[in-house]
Amino acid sequence: GNSVTQMEGPVTLSEEAFLTINCTYTATGYPSLFWYVQYPGEGLQLLLKATKADDKGSNKGFEATYRKETTSFHLEKGSVQVSDSAVYFCALSDQGDSWGKLQFGAGTQVVVTP
Amino acid sequence: EPEVTQTPSHQVTQMGQEVILRCVPISNHLYFYWYRQILGQKVEFLVSFYNNEISEKSEIFDDQFSVERPDGSNFTLKIRSTKLEDSAMYFCASTPGREETQYFGPGTRLLVL
Repeated sequence: GNSVTQMEGPVTLSEEAFLTINCTYTATGYPSLFWYVQYPGEGLQLLLKATKADDKGSNKGFEATYRKETTSFHLEKGSVQVSDSAVYFCALSDQGDSWGKLQFGAGTQVVVTP
Repeated sequence: EPEVTQTPSHQVTQMGQEVILRCVPISNHLYFYWYRQILGQKVEFLVSFYNNEISEKSEIFDDQFSVERPDGSNFTLKIRSTKLEDSAMYFCASTPGREETQYFGPGTRLLVL
């Protein structure tokens, strides 16, 4: 079956540091890949997505590239801010065999200190 | 910007009681979903709903659960007889098309005592 594995947190960084959150997936078909973010006390918000191999999703300074050869979709940001403190979820949707359901990784908490 | 709304934001109930969680999806969306997140765990898919019927459900979605779109705007999740392990944050999501981005509501935190 399909699954998503992402690095465990918490990840603690200083402001302006470089952030990487690793995400790998297994899928039987050709999934779309997503990063969702959950700020404290709020729901899930789409951060970025990529729908096919070699696509790069980007938003708010975050980037992730869909790598089919390594089945990865690592999230990066060059210079984090305190406001980036949140839980980040990698997710996939395998359109070929589902009605669009999302399968999530366990989430990675990121804490950015001033 | 249109958004998915959910009510209530918090609900506390006694074990064995019925609860109904309500969602108002974005108005032109056609596909609806419920997910849950037990504290400290990953977000899990429960059910998808399209054209007034369940299109897919997970093994979590047993006979205690049901979904309904009673009118043109609301989408509800009913838990018939709650158990302690149903305590979780429940998220509703909607999308205009199956391969489109899902938009999530803020969630309902359910606590079963």
